[in-house]
Amino acid sequence: ETGVTQTPRHLVMGMTNKKSLKCEQHLGHNAMYWYKQSAKKPLELMFVYNFKEQTENNSVPSRFSPECPNSSHLFLHLHTLQPEDSALYLCASSQGLTDGYTFGSGTRLTVV
Amino acid sequence: AQSVTQPDIHITVSEGASLELRCNYSYGATPYLFWYVQSPGQGLQLLLKYFSGDTLVQGIKGFEAEFKRSQSSFNLRKPSVHWSDAAEYFCAVVTYGGSQGNLIFGKGTKLSVKP
Repeated sequence: ETGVTQTPRHLVMGMTNKKSLKCEQHLGHNAMYWYKQSAKKPLELMFVYNFKEQTENNSVPSRFSPECPNSSHLFLHLHTLQPEDSALYLCASSQGLTDGYTFGSGTRLTVV
Repeated sequence: AQSVTQPDIHITVSEGASLELRCNYSYGATPYLFWYVQSPGQGLQLLLKYFSGDTLVQGIKGFEAEFKRSQSSFNLRKPSVHWSDAAEYFCAVVTYGGSQGNLIFGKGTKLSVKP
């Protein structure tokens, strides 16, 4: 257990479904992140939240909608996804630059 | 723009042999550099980091890395590889200094270990 918990670990959803990914950290970090990891592609930064405020949206399609209700929780709401959105979605948190990021184990998403 | 290049997609080494994974960065100022490891189906675990000072940094699991400004490199090394080191390794750089930065990752190097 790294201190960052992601649920569910695996998710299969149809293109018309709506689902949410959850991330939780109790490390006292003030920043949280969503990354997408696809096969044969580098890790892609999707969203950044700093003190609950979104500070970066890396040109992510609107079918991905993040939510950060407090500094310990981060959600990624999914709707009308495409098969190419199938990937491992990783959540991370950090406290400043010097500690690096702490990652969760990810949610393996399959869109059918 | 800041970037990280890992030239080797896949490396195979024998158990007990030494290992060096290459990482080159592109960044104007002094970079903040990291190495992460990812086992199959898992998230990323921080191995080591460099900000300033001694250019040879020690990490967990017996890994070390050396920052070479003249070569814009931050190569990861281990003197003797164990079968449990088989995983994917990512080099990363923080995009800017200050109180908060975003990590940009290389494409990763997959390490296989043969008996």
